[in-house]
Amino acid sequence: QKEVEQNSGPLSVPEGAIASLNCTYSDRGSQSFFWYRQYSGKSPELIMSIYSNGDKEDGRFTAQLNKASQYVSLLIRDSQPSDSATYLCAVRLTGGGNKLTFGTGTQLKVEL
Amino acid sequence: DGGITQSPKYLFRKEGQNVTLSCEQNLNHDAMYWYRQDPGQGLRLIYYSQIVNDFQKGDIAEGYSVSREKKESFPLTVTSAQKNPTAFYLCASSIDAFNQPQHFGDGTRLSIL
Repeated sequence: QKEVEQNSGPLSVPEGAIASLNCTYSDRGSQSFFWYRQYSGKSPELIMSIYSNGDKEDGRFTAQLNKASQYVSLLIRDSQPSDSATYLCAVRLTGGGNKLTFGTGTQLKVEL
Repeated sequence: DGGITQSPKYLFRKEGQNVTLSCEQNLNHDAMYWYRQDPGQGLRLIYYSQIVNDFQKGDIAEGYSVSREKKESFPLTVTSAQKNPTAFYLCASSIDAFNQPQHFGDGTRLSIL
């Protein structure tokens, strides 16, 4: 089992819809979780950080964390074509210090 | 503006040659990291440094070397021992606190001539 798993996609949603991206992780003791957006050929940029169970909202983005089920998700409301990118989930695993373990990313396509 | 600067943006390596990728940050971050990204794969950690004059191997350190003589700088050398160096190399930094996120530079794309 991979330490951090994401469905590679592509996930296609129509413009204006809600996009739901999911990530599962293997280390039950993990404490810090991050979502990055990466456009093709560019470097990752941080979208959200979440540390506690529940939802955290920032504009059109909502991160949801469920430590008991070991998953973290990212919801994008009112999806726009400019949201089309690969979304990377990153987890700071127990005993990993400052290291992050990244999933392979989910490609999102928002269609007109 | 504060940020992370990687140079060059594109780099070509000849057979048997060592090349050095530059990473400089003016964010006053203690921790710095080097990742490699291949198509269809996630980011893989090469080396990281939590403090000046100290660094640790990541998951794929073979064929690479680093130094951390200054807080602002964390150069990566891709040696001739790295037989498959073609990849997108990303440098990141973070405040030295366990829960702080990492921020990335724009990357260096390395290819073999």
